Amino acid sequence: SYVLTQPPSVTVAPGQTARITCGGNKSGSKSVHWYQQKPGQAPVLAVYDNSDRPSPVYYDHDRPSGIPERFSGSNSGNTATLIISRVEAGDEADYYCQVWDTSTNMYVFGAGTRVTVL
Amino acid sequence: EVQLVESGGGLIQPGGSLRLSCAASGFIVSNNYMSWVRQAPGKGLEWVSILYTGGRTDYAESVKGRFTISRDNSKNTVYFQMNSLRGEDTAVYYCARDLGGGVLDCWGQGALVTVSS
Repeated sequence: SYVLTQPPSVTVAPGQTARITCGGNKSGSKSVHWYQQKPGQAPVLAVYDNSDRPSPVYYDHDRPSGIPERFSGSNSGNTATLIISRVEAGDEADYYCQVWDTSTNMYVFGAGTRVTVL
Repeated sequence: EVQLVESGGGLIQPGGSLRLSCAASGFIVSNNYMSWVRQAPGKGLEWVSILYTGGRTDYAESVKGRFTISRDNSKNTVYFQMNSLRGEDTAVYYCARDLGGGVLDCWGQGALVTVSS
C-alpha cells in the first residue's frame, strides 16, 4: 500500500516560514492535499491540489475560503510540501498530507506533523 | 451554510454494533461523495469508507466486511453501521463531504466510539 512520510514535528519562530514535507513514491504524479487540525477540533482542509492531470513539475494549489494566502503547497518528484509563510501563533496545529491511492482506490494520510510556534 | 453533524457514538462492548449518523445541511448528500475518517486517541487520521453518488462504496481493509456506509436521501443523512466492533475501532469518527480525489472540504465535529468491556 502507498505510504506518506511526514516529520513528527516542526518548530518555527513567528514571522518565519514553515515547510512541512510529505514524502511518497512518485508523489509528484499524484494530487496531494493538506489538512490542519487544532487540538480538540475536527480537521480542516487547508490546501488542495485541483490540477486535472498530474504534472511532474508544479501544481496549482487552491485554498478553501477562510484559509489565509500564507498557506500554499508544492509537489514534485517524491516530495510534497506545505508552506506556511509569516507564521503566526494561531498556526500551531497538526498538519496531515493525504493522497488518493488509485491502485487500491483508497485514501492515504500521512502520520501528521505537529507545528510549534516558538 | 454547509454543515455536518454526527451522532450515535458511545461505549459499546467488543463484538457489539453501533450506527453513526451524519446529518447534512446546506448541500444535498446524494449529489456528493461522502467519506468517513476516524482518529484513534492520540493518533493520526485514518480514512475508512466512501459512498459515491451512484451508490458504490469502498472501505479500508481494516473495516471491510464489518462496516457499511449508506445514506437516506429523504433525511439528507449518511449512516455508518459498525458491526463486530473491536478495541482497535475505538476512535473519533468524522464524516466529511468529499469533492473527489480525496478533497474533504467539510467535516463534522466527530462522534466518539469507545469499544471496551
